[in-house]
Amino acid sequence: DTGVSQDPRHKITKRGQNVTFRCDPISEHNRLYWYRQTLGQGPEFLTYFQNEAQLEKSRLLSDRFSAERPKGSFSTLEIQRTEQGDSAMYLCASSLVTGGPERELFFGEGSRLTVL
Amino acid sequence: GENVEQHPSTLSVQEGDSAVIKCTYSDSASNYFPWYKQELGKRPQLIIDIRSNVGEKKDQRIAVTLNKTAKHFSLHITETQPEDSAVYFCAASRDYKLSFGAGTTVTVRA
Repeated sequence: DTGVSQDPRHKITKRGQNVTFRCDPISEHNRLYWYRQTLGQGPEFLTYFQNEAQLEKSRLLSDRFSAERPKGSFSTLEIQRTEQGDSAMYLCASSLVTGGPERELFFGEGSRLTVL
Repeated sequence: GENVEQHPSTLSVQEGDSAVIKCTYSDSASNYFPWYKQELGKRPQLIIDIRSNVGEKKDQRIAVTLNKTAKHFSLHITETQPEDSAVYFCAASRDYKLSFGAGTTVTVRA
């Protein structure tokens, strides 16, 4: 499967614990995005990378959240000291940006986080 | 930042009827407007998109219209079928960053 893959698919953790999610984008895609989706809502932008550079972070992303894309390929999203309000589906997406017309954003299946 | 509003939040239609979902956006610089379909437990998938230099686009039973002046765009599904039941999200993009609406849950009744 050459689509966007995310791991783990489900994570249940206790409040205060740290969690890390991994995203493997489509191999030739230079842009990688993280979104958060809660029940009944559309995906909310968190952050994105152009190759290994993190170009923008949403105000939704508190200092407990950190994302990396060290070699411009896979990315990790870490949440420290989780809170119940962090419970959500974390979606990763990737695209190929060449400066021309915008192209399709391909999503992964998501990582569902439940904080008890 | 961009704010996208989507209506209605739920839509129930009889099989064979049409479904229309409407969205408005706030940033006049947005230039790309995709629509995503998300089935239960699945990833969002692109079904159709339109760029700001086009007013209408059609692909078989689905069509999208864009009114840049009003900052309004709509999705039209004709001859709905049970497999059209899903959540549909509109989005607006500026500088390759998508902002999504809250979604419309479409239920097609047999």
